[in-house]
Amino acid sequence: DSGVTQTPKHLITATGQRVTLRCSPRSGDLSVYWYQQSLDQGLQFLIQYYNGEERAKGNILERFSAQQFPDLHSELNLSSLELGDSALYFCASNTPPENTEAFFGQGTRLTVV
Amino acid sequence: LAKTTQPISMDSYEGQEVNITCSHNNIATNDYITWYQQFPSQGPRFIIQGYKTKVTNEVASLFIPADRKSSTLSLPRVSLSDTAVYYCLVGAEPGGSYIPTFGRGTSLIVHP
Repeated sequence: DSGVTQTPKHLITATGQRVTLRCSPRSGDLSVYWYQQSLDQGLQFLIQYYNGEERAKGNILERFSAQQFPDLHSELNLSSLELGDSALYFCASNTPPENTEAFFGQGTRLTVV
Repeated sequence: LAKTTQPISMDSYEGQEVNITCSHNNIATNDYITWYQQFPSQGPRFIIQGYKTKVTNEVASLFIPADRKSSTLSLPRVSLSDTAVYYCLVGAEPGGSYIPTFGRGTSLIVHP
């Protein structure tokens, strides 16, 4: 158990809809990372938050957004969903620079139909 | 970030030692080398991290030559449960920010 909790584990929704994925980081970790993993693209970094502020952006679509709340949990919002958004979405946490090891959650499997 | 190159797949048998080599020719002075393991439908799990020479923990060893342009993850006496994808990452900056960036990894299949 990594200590990172993601909910829900599975999500099935229709095209055009909007969903919210939730991540509770490991206790005390200030940084949260979001990743998307699909069969054809591998594990892609989306965005990082550190202590409530956006720190780095990767290959995140404009239809996607995220935030980190004062209690350090984070949410990834996916809107106007397309079939190609079907993937596993992982959240990871750590507290750089003390530890560069990232702890990953079990992921949310999103299926867009 | 330094680009990494590792074999797409490897096969081994139970009880054998497996060595997975990763090339990172343009590694920077402050970069660390980190390896993760991922099972299907699970999040990646940290295995080992090093800067130079050799690092060993309870599950693996990491060998890094003096020029640091490559690294080798060594898994002793693998079992069926070691079947997974192994990722080599480069690019930690002590005191700075670090985004774990994953390539395609090496798919290791351990046969009975």
